[in-house]
Amino acid sequence: AQSVTQLDSQVPVFEEAPVELRCNYSSSVSVYLFWYVQYPNQGLQLLLKYLSGSTLVKGINGFEAEFNKSQTSFHLRKPSVHISDTAEYFCAVRSAPGSARQLTFGSGTQLTVLP
Amino acid sequence: SQTIHQWPATLVQPVGSPLSLECTVEGTSNPNLYWYRQAAGRGLQLLFYSVGIGQISSEVPQNLSASRPQDRQFILSSKKLLLSDSGFYLCAWRETGELFFGEGSRLTVL
Repeated sequence: AQSVTQLDSQVPVFEEAPVELRCNYSSSVSVYLFWYVQYPNQGLQLLLKYLSGSTLVKGINGFEAEFNKSQTSFHLRKPSVHISDTAEYFCAVRSAPGSARQLTFGSGTQLTVLP
Repeated sequence: SQTIHQWPATLVQPVGSPLSLECTVEGTSNPNLYWYRQAAGRGLQLLFYSVGIGQISSEVPQNLSASRPQDRQFILSSKKLLLSDSGFYLCAWRETGELFFGEGSRLTVL
């Protein structure tokens, strides 16, 4: 079984500042890692994913994440945030190759971008 | 392209009343379908998944049930709602290992 910990439940940041949303996981097997974004009263949208290969993964809306196997982390970063980035962000993990039903989500981080 | 629809988007129901949330997928055939619940301040919990018509697997024991009467239709139901059933319900389908989510249905049980 695997688990995901998102260390910050809320992250306020000023517009155009950089941001990092932290995600740590635990698993006894190889994993696939995902970041999803949820805008208010909407479903989840995939931001980016790590399946294999380069540990630095680039996603939509200027976000990127780095897979660090030794630290079991998959932190999400953006060098300059916009007001429109205000949303809840979920980290998720599943065993590789595994099954989609084994996807485990973190509790989420609410990113609030302030003007 | 594939799309996924959920309705209703918002629902307020009294305790003890029945529930029916519907999810349909377009642009694909024989999809794997999932129902998740998101409680306030918590991550997503997988409730049910289905790999085909009439095939339902439950991940956690609860007051809810699911059915798949057609290939691209997935229904979440309850005969008698509890207060603890309140939450945001998300339907999803899987393609190449990724999950794609619907817009969600917010249920408030009073």
